[in-house]
Amino acid sequence: QVQLVESGGGVVQPGRSLRLSCAASGFTFSSFGMHWVRQAPGKGLEWVAVISFDGDDKYYTDSVKGRFTISRDNSKNTLYLQMNSLRAEDTAVYYCAKNSHGGYDYFGGFDFWGQGTMVTVSS
Amino acid sequence: DVVMTQSPLSLPVTLGQPASISCRSSQSLVYSDGDTYLNWFQQRPGQSPRRLIYKVSNRDSGVPDRFSGSGSGTDFTLKISRVEAEDVGVYYCMQGTHWPPWTFGQGTKVEIK
Repeated sequence: QVQLVESGGGVVQPGRSLRLSCAASGFTFSSFGMHWVRQAPGKGLEWVAVISFDGDDKYYTDSVKGRFTISRDNSKNTLYLQMNSLRAEDTAVYYCAKNSHGGYDYFGGFDFWGQGTMVTVSS
Repeated sequence: DVVMTQSPLSLPVTLGQPASISCRSSQSLVYSDGDTYLNWFQQRPGQSPRRLIYKVSNRDSGVPDRFSGSGSGTDFTLKISRVEAEDVGVYYCMQGTHWPPWTFGQGTKVEIK
């Protein structure tokens, strides 16, 4: 079965950096795009970024462009999110999620989610 | 960006009774291929979201048949025919037609009266 396990969260000061990881198993990781979605405490869901199956295609929500970088290592079945210049408003649980379809088909978004990792940006 | 608007935001229901959640999009979610990419997710307390419904009305594997999705264009509905205790949580609609970004409704909190 599909398993997604995030790690790397923690407490960080504003302006600092953090890198999240998501270890995937139970499916052919190298065939599917992968997303990051976040949820601020007590709030709703917000899509953050997506990367194509081969790493060539990346999209970001406006509020993180230029600060966050999504990447993947298909040899390690691992997805990453490098977060720089962190702000208080980036405080959230960060989920990785598997794209519903393989290839470059992003329609429909995502199906399986990890359990999330908490990022707290505070001085 | 497509704005997704859910109602109600809070839904107290009696066990065994039906429940209905509405979701409206700021533009049609019908893609040129004829498909409509509208999903529903359930988030139980303390858990990560789980997809229940994809492309308006298709139930994911393992989802009880008391959950059903319907709608077209800009108006969509998630129905629970008979609410059970395990259905407590927050339900989100999400559009996957006009991306990026993929956008969610605000969420509807279902609780037992």
